[in-house]
Amino acid sequence: GAVVSQHPSWVICKSGTSVKIECRSLDFQATTMFWYRQFPKQSLMLMATSNEGSKATYEQGVEKDKFLINHASLTLSTLTVTSAHPEDSSFYICSARPGSPSSYEQYFGPGTRLTVT
Amino acid sequence: AQSVAQPEDQVNVAEGNPLTVKCTYSVSGNPYLFWYVQYPNRGLQFLLKYITGDNLVKGSYGFEAEFNKSQTSFHLKKPSALVSDSALYFCAVRDVSGFQKLVFGTGTRLLVSP
Repeated sequence: GAVVSQHPSWVICKSGTSVKIECRSLDFQATTMFWYRQFPKQSLMLMATSNEGSKATYEQGVEKDKFLINHASLTLSTLTVTSAHPEDSSFYICSARPGSPSSYEQYFGPGTRLTVT
Repeated sequence: AQSVAQPEDQVNVAEGNPLTVKCTYSVSGNPYLFWYVQYPNRGLQFLLKYITGDNLVKGSYGFEAEFNKSQTSFHLKKPSALVSDSALYFCAVRDVSGFQKLVFGTGTRLLVSP
């Protein structure tokens, strides 16, 4: 149980285009989902927290208009990288936390490798 | 603010030997501590957590961690390392405010040699 999927697993796009990454909780409902970015050999940097049915909360320094997050249902959150540039190339990881108040854990997706050419 | 520190970028150990990956924490209130492992080009896999109770926490794949309040540490341990344990290990603490996000350490690369 507690499986989180991401799609696509990798994507290559041209500079200036937009890319959408999906994060799905497959066997549980996630009221809260988190989006992280990881650079090579570095730790995870939290980009934003999304709650179903409300606007995402972005971490300081993360451009809201560039990284659009939509949490449309209890099992799906999407991250859209708009007008992508080579510096946006990174490994993007989502995680989901079950809606149970007693849940302490986050379950992570396998990640999406974005390369902008 | 809640934070964790992983003082070692890399830990090298021979297969069959015990391993320790260090983590210290700084929190206000009671700490909720986690260990995750990441294999190349993959997401994070949960290993274990400390919320309350016994200071020795047992987790997945034979790993365990010892919560030490006086030393503010939560070191990850395994009695006998396997080559397949080679990966990137992250310690994390749950923030007490807002959405209770996880705050990660910088990660420690474990290399187990045959």
